[in-house]
Amino acid sequence: QKEVEQDPGPLSVPEGAIVSLNCTYSNSAFQYFMWYRQYSRKGPELLMYTYSSGNKEDGRFTAQVDKSSKYISLFIRDSQPSDSATYLCAMSLRSSNTGKLIFGQGTTLQVKP
Amino acid sequence: NAGVTQTPKFRVLKTGQSMTLLCAQDMNHEYMYWYRQDPGMGLRLIHYSVGEGTTAKGEVPDGYNVSRLKKQNFLLGLESAAPSQTSVYFCASRDPTGGIETQYFGPGTRLLVL
Repeated sequence: QKEVEQDPGPLSVPEGAIVSLNCTYSNSAFQYFMWYRQYSRKGPELLMYTYSSGNKEDGRFTAQVDKSSKYISLFIRDSQPSDSATYLCAMSLRSSNTGKLIFGQGTTLQVKP
Repeated sequence: NAGVTQTPKFRVLKTGQSMTLLCAQDMNHEYMYWYRQDPGMGLRLIHYSVGEGTTAKGEVPDGYNVSRLKKQNFLLGLESAAPSQTSVYFCASRDPTGGIETQYFGPGTRLLVL
């Protein structure tokens, strides 16, 4: 079993839809939770960052962490064709001096006009 | 400010050939990382460095070597390429004093081993 599991999709939605992307994890020591966005043939870029549990909102994006369920989510409101990309969740340990990240497999999202 | 750059962008190798991938960053970051990305596998850490002159193994280090002779550069070497090393390779850097576990990624190097 992988430490971080993410449904690879692909996920196809119409423009304006609410998108929900999710990851589950097995290591309860993870404290830092991130979502990266990766456009085709580009490097990943940080989208959202959360420490420990709770919600964080940034414009149309909301990140949620439920540590009791070992489950994190990314919601995209009013999705746009420009949101079409692969979304990768990533996690790291609280005590990590090396900053090593454990990534999920990535979910490919297509938003159709 | 170019961020993280990678050279080359694309390369085709024959089995058994060697090559070096170059990563450069101009953000004065201490930490640097090499990942490979394969379909259905996400990003997997190959090697990393926490400072000039240091290197350490990641999740999938076999078949690769690295060097960090200068703070701004992190080299990934394949001594004898194998078809299983066909992948997209990403370099990343991080400032550990930034307070955020953010890694900045380069654009990637696509490697095909025949």
